[in-house]
Amino acid sequence: DTEVTQTPKHLVMGMTNKKSLKCEQHMGHRAMYWYKQKAKKPPELMFVYSYEKLSINESVPSRFSPECPNSSLLNLHLHALQPEDSALYLCASSQAQLYNSPLHFGNGTRLTVT
Amino acid sequence: AQSVTQLGSHVSVSEGALVLLRCNYSSSVPPYLFWYVQYPNQGLQLLLKYTTGATLVKGINGFEAEFKKSETSFHLTKPSAHMSDAAEYFCAVSGGSQGNLIFGKGTKLSVKP
Repeated sequence: DTEVTQTPKHLVMGMTNKKSLKCEQHMGHRAMYWYKQKAKKPPELMFVYSYEKLSINESVPSRFSPECPNSSLLNLHLHALQPEDSALYLCASSQAQLYNSPLHFGNGTRLTVT
Repeated sequence: AQSVTQLGSHVSVSEGALVLLRCNYSSSVPPYLFWYVQYPNQGLQLLLKYTTGATLVKGINGFEAEFKKSETSFHLTKPSAHMSDAAEYFCAVSGGSQGNLIFGKGTKLSVKP
């Protein structure tokens, strides 16, 4: 069982759709992350929130829009995606955005863009 | 800049055999090192971490790793492989511009009966 919960588990969307991915943790962690993982590749960092403020945006296209409504929730809003955006999207959290603070990952949302 | 190299994209062992997954790092500062495991259709799970102190680190599921500064290595071992150990393993170093993790390319471990 994972302490980071992601919904939905699977999502299929067209290129004109708007959808959102959700992530929730109740460990009191103050840093939350979005990663994108393509098949047979390591996760690639997209965004980091620290104390509910955007800390890192790894030059992600604007069709991905993160939101952190409170310290337990993290959303990723999707709009006008491309087929190459199909991937596993992983949420993670850590006690803080520190070098020695390990990440706790959710099981991901498998996104398919048609 | 920090980086991680995992030697061998695929390692195959027999059940009961020693597991050795290799990881070398490059870091200009004392590194914080991690091993994660990813089972099919799941997220990543922390196996173990090295931050400071003892260089032999024990993790979950019988895995351990030894930090060797002179060799810039952090290899993962397990004395006896189980079928359930079949998964993708990622070595990571903490040290991006704001402390974010830098992952190696991963090693897929297969376990033969």
